[in-house]
Amino acid sequence: SAVISQKPSRDICQRGTSLTIQCQVDSQVTMMFWYRQQPGQSLTLIATANQGSEATYESGFVIDKFPISRPNLTFSTLTVSNMSPEDSSIYLCSVEGPGQESYNEQFFGPGTRLTVL
Amino acid sequence: AQSVTQLGSHVSVSEGALVLLRCNYSSSVPPYLFWYVQYPNQGLQLLLKYTTGATLVKGINGFEAEFKKSETSFHLTKPSAHMSDAAEYFCAVRAQAGTALIFGKGTTLSVSS
Repeated sequence: SAVISQKPSRDICQRGTSLTIQCQVDSQVTMMFWYRQQPGQSLTLIATANQGSEATYESGFVIDKFPISRPNLTFSTLTVSNMSPEDSSIYLCSVEGPGQESYNEQFFGPGTRLTVL
Repeated sequence: AQSVTQLGSHVSVSEGALVLLRCNYSSSVPPYLFWYVQYPNQGLQLLLKYTTGATLVKGINGFEAEFKKSETSFHLTKPSAHMSDAAEYFCAVRAQAGTALIFGKGTTLSVSS
């Protein structure tokens, strides 16, 4: 399995500012994913981040708004830029399970609860 | 492209009754299918998964699901509901290893005494 931590766990931000969310994994993983969960909604994939390459964004999400870094196999950041109240969501980091036992599983971090005023 | 449809955004059952949460998928390739549970203000927890092999999959907390290719379904069941089962349940699909899970809209399960 993989244990994922995220920082911050929650934040309240002003419109127009940016927030960087950190995701740390306790083992080396190839694939990392960022999701958004809007209030009362399901999870929507923002992007896939592989170490050493540019992140791949889903339709409706762009790099200028959600820049992602993936400097090594255990860490990634997601920045929510120029925030508006519509960005208020829970942002979740996820990884594909390392090793044979957890192959094909995706593990999720606890999420970052963002409120934009 | 893969997609998941969860029928019924809200399901209510009595304690001890059968739980049935419905999930249908669309996939151009044999899918990997998952059920996750999210308790209030908590993270996602994997209930069970289907990748290959036996089509009836048993998970944690007494839940199980059956992969039916002919019906493109992966419904989640539990014989007897418990109050602690009240939560949000998500069905998810992925086409192959290395691609991200795609989630359904979720079903809220309420359990009354």
